[in-house]
Amino acid sequence: AQSVTQLDSQVPVFEEAPVELRCNYSSSVSVYLFWYVQYPNQGLQLLLKYLSGSTLVKGINGFEAEFNKSQTSFHLRKPSVHISDTAEYFCAVTSSGSARQLTFGSGTQLTVLP
Amino acid sequence: DGGITQSPKYLFRKEGQNVTLSCEQNLNHDAMYWYRQDPGQGLRLIYYSQIVNDFQKGDIAEGYSVSREKKESFPLTVTSAQKNPTAFYLCASSTPGVDTEAFFGQGTRLTVV
Repeated sequence: AQSVTQLDSQVPVFEEAPVELRCNYSSSVSVYLFWYVQYPNQGLQLLLKYLSGSTLVKGINGFEAEFNKSQTSFHLRKPSVHISDTAEYFCAVTSSGSARQLTFGSGTQLTVLP
Repeated sequence: DGGITQSPKYLFRKEGQNVTLSCEQNLNHDAMYWYRQDPGQGLRLIYYSQIVNDFQKGDIAEGYSVSREKKESFPLTVTSAQKNPTAFYLCASSTPGVDTEAFFGQGTRLTVV
């Protein structure tokens, strides 16, 4: 079985400050990790994904994430946030034994303050 | 433009009624999924289909039913047996393979009145 834990349900941060959204996963097999963003009353959009190779993954809108196998983490970072980054962010995992089912974390609401 | 279309965007249902949520995709994806989203709980898988005429229960299938008669379409029926149907419902699709991303529709917000 696989699971995802997003450690912070809400993260307020001032504009132009750096931010880190934390994600930990558990799985007994090789995993594939994703970060999605959701704006109010909309669907989810892929920010970035880790499949294999380099542990530092760069995505859209200046976001990046680092896969850490020993700590089973996949934290999302941005060095300088904008008001437009205010949204809910979801970490998700799938694995080779999961029949391609994505398991989502409970989400982190990022609020960027002026 | 390719994408996933969910309709309607907002839906109101009286208690005891069945309602059907539409999901259509023109991405030529084999796999389609239905998720339910509640505040603070993330997305939970209701049903998924890897191929036409076949579908599997997800984590919270009770009170829901689906069909997959065409590759492009994966409608979800919320039956009267679903005890708490008020939620935001998201449809997604993907190509086969664990390393491919899922594409999401804009969602349907269902409210029981």
